[in-house]
Order: sequence, then structure tokens, then C-alpha cells
Amino acid sequence: KQEVTQIPAALSVPEGENLVLNCSFTDSAIYNLQWFRQDPGKGLTSLLLIQSSQREQTSGRLNASLDKSSGRSTLYIAASQPGDSATYLCAVRPSQAGTALIFGKGTTLSVSS
Amino acid sequence: NAGVTQTPKFQVLKTGQSMTLQCAQDMNHEYMSWYRQDPGMGLRLIHYSVGAGITDQGEVPNGYNVSRSTTEDFPLRLLSAAPSQTSVYFCASRRQKTKTSYNSPLHFGNGTRLTVT
Repeated sequence: KQEVTQIPAALSVPEGENLVLNCSFTDSAIYNLQWFRQDPGKGLTSLLLIQSSQREQTSGRLNASLDKSSGRSTLYIAASQPGDSATYLCAVRPSQAGTALIFGKGTTLSVSS
Repeated sequence: NAGVTQTPKFQVLKTGQSMTLQCAQDMNHEYMSWYRQDPGMGLRLIHYSVGAGITDQGEVPNGYNVSRSTTEDFPLRLLSAAPSQTSVYFCASRRQKTKTSYNSPLHFGNGTRLTVT
């Protein structure tokens, strides 16, 4: 059974710091991996989607990498800002037909000014 | 575009009451789904649909019913609410129709916070 783990569960950094969030998964048979952001009391917003054939995706200050063989993904946030404070979740889409996204429990990021 | 719209935003029910959580999307997405989010448990799939008239169970379907009569709407029904169904419920959708849409991102609504007393 596919399991997705995110470590650490919480992270506090000062403004301006570069940081990395980690995501690991147990089964490499995936279509893609998706990173989401969730603000308190809100839904999830898709940040980046990396297809299984890709190594990384970039959007602004965000860079996500995927190493399917080792079952790992990282989300790199450059020059963090207080507005980046949120919970970040990763999810994998197994390549078995009919299966839904499997989510990690998230990393809650706090960026202080 | 409104995206995925969920109503209501908050709801309090008594044990045994029934209600329907509404979800509508205006992106013409074939795939729609319902998740619940609980502290320490993460997001778990309740039911999903790959098109009008087609629904299937997810990881935690007991106590919930769904139907999909149109592409736009995917309501979630609680037949007899229980305290264990206290949770935040999210509806999500994405394109599904072709092989290339396997890599379509999932779009979420803002959630319904349900409390069952």
C-alpha cells in the first residue's frame, strides 16, 4: 500500500531564508507527484505537479524535484516571506488505474519577519 | 471562473440528522471527488466520479452517498450523521478524459466544516 510521509511536521524560519520541505513515498509506480499549499480554514491550492518522467518543476521562487527511484521529492522555497506561512502537502497519483491521490500529512511552515 | 464551489461553509448537525453537502465546478472536469480532512489523519478519499452517472467508493465511504447526474455537480449525502463524521470536507475536480489528463492537477474547493453533536 502506498504511503506518503512528510518530515518535518512543522518548521519555523526567519524571513529571507531558503528552505527545503521533504516528501517520501513507498511505491515508485506513480503517474505524478503534486505539491499543494493550504492556508488555515481554506482549501488546497495546487503549486506544482511533476510527472513521473520529469525531474523537476519550477514556479517563481518554488522548485520541486522528484527522484522516483528513491521515492523522494523536495520542495525548495527561495528567499522565504511571511506570506509563505501555510501548510504544504504532497500527494502522489499511483499508476494503478482507478486509484486516487495519496496525501502526506503536511509540513506547517511559519516564516517570521 | 469560480472553480470548485462548496456550500455550506459551516454546518452543525445533531446525531441522526441527514444533510447534503453541495459541490459544483465550472471547468467541465470529468473527475470529481470528496475528501475528508481530520487532524493527524490527513486527507482521505470518500467517493469519486469519473463522469455523469458513474461513481465509486474511496477509502472511507461508509455513511456517505453520492450521485452524479450532471458534469457540474457532485453532492455528498450524509444519511444519518454521527459524531465520527465531524470533519472538514473538501470537493476536488480535474480533467480525466484522455491519457494526457492523467497529469492534470487536482483543484479543490474551500471546504465545508461539519460538526455533529
